[in-house]
Amino acid sequence: AQSVTQPDIHITVSEGASLELRCNYSYGATPYLFWYVQSPGQGLQLLLKYFSGDTLVQGIKGFEAEFKRSQSSFNLRKPSVHWSDAAEYFCAVGARTDKLIFGTGTRLQVFP
Amino acid sequence: DADVTQTPRNRITKTGKRIMLECSQTKGHDRMYWYRQDPGLGLRLIYYSFDVKDINKGEISDGYSVSRQAQAKFSLSLESAIPNQTALYFCATRRGGTSGLTDTQYFGPGTRLTVL
Repeated sequence: AQSVTQPDIHITVSEGASLELRCNYSYGATPYLFWYVQSPGQGLQLLLKYFSGDTLVQGIKGFEAEFKRSQSSFNLRKPSVHWSDAAEYFCAVGARTDKLIFGTGTRLQVFP
Repeated sequence: DADVTQTPRNRITKTGKRIMLECSQTKGHDRMYWYRQDPGLGLRLIYYSFDVKDINKGEISDGYSVSRQAQAKFSLSLESAIPNQTALYFCATRRGGTSGLTDTQYFGPGTRLTVL
C-alpha cells in the first residue's frame, strides 16, 4: 500500500540553524514526490517536487530536498532557518493516478 | 485576488444539518479536488473531478457529495452533518491534459467546519 511517513510531529530550531525534515514513503512504482508548506490560517503551498533526473531538488524559499531511492526517503533541508519558516510541512507522494497521499505533517517552530 | 477561493471560511453547524462548502477558481484548471485535514492525519482526499462530467470518489467519500456546476466551481455537501466531520476542508485545482501529475495542485485557504 502507498503511504508516507513523517516521523517528526514537531521540531523546534533556533533561527539561523540548519533544518532537516524527514519523509519516508512506501510506493510500488517510481514515485512523484512533493513538499508543501502550510502557514497558519493558509492553504498549502508547493515548496518543491521531484519526478525524475537530478535527485537533489531546489525549491522556493531556499529549501531543497534529496531523493534517495535506496532509503525510500525525500528529506527536506534548509541551511539557515528564518522565523518566517515556522509552519507545518507536508510530504506527499503521487503517481499517474492523479491522487496525492499526504504525510501527517511536521510542525516547525523557530525560536529567535 | 486569490486564484482559488473557498466560502465560507468558517462555519459552525449542528448535527443533522445540511451544509454546502463552495470552491471557485480563476486558474482555468480542469481538475478540482476536495480534501479534509484532521490533526495528526494530514490531508485525505474526499472527491475529485477531471471535468464537469467526470467526478470520482476519493478515499473518504462516505457522508459527502459533490457537484461540479461549472469548470470553475466545485461544491462539497454534507447532507446530514455529524460531529466527526468537524475538520478543515481544502479545495485544490490542477491543470489537466497530458502533463500528468507533474503539474502542481493549487490549494484554497480552507474552510473550518465545526459540527456540534
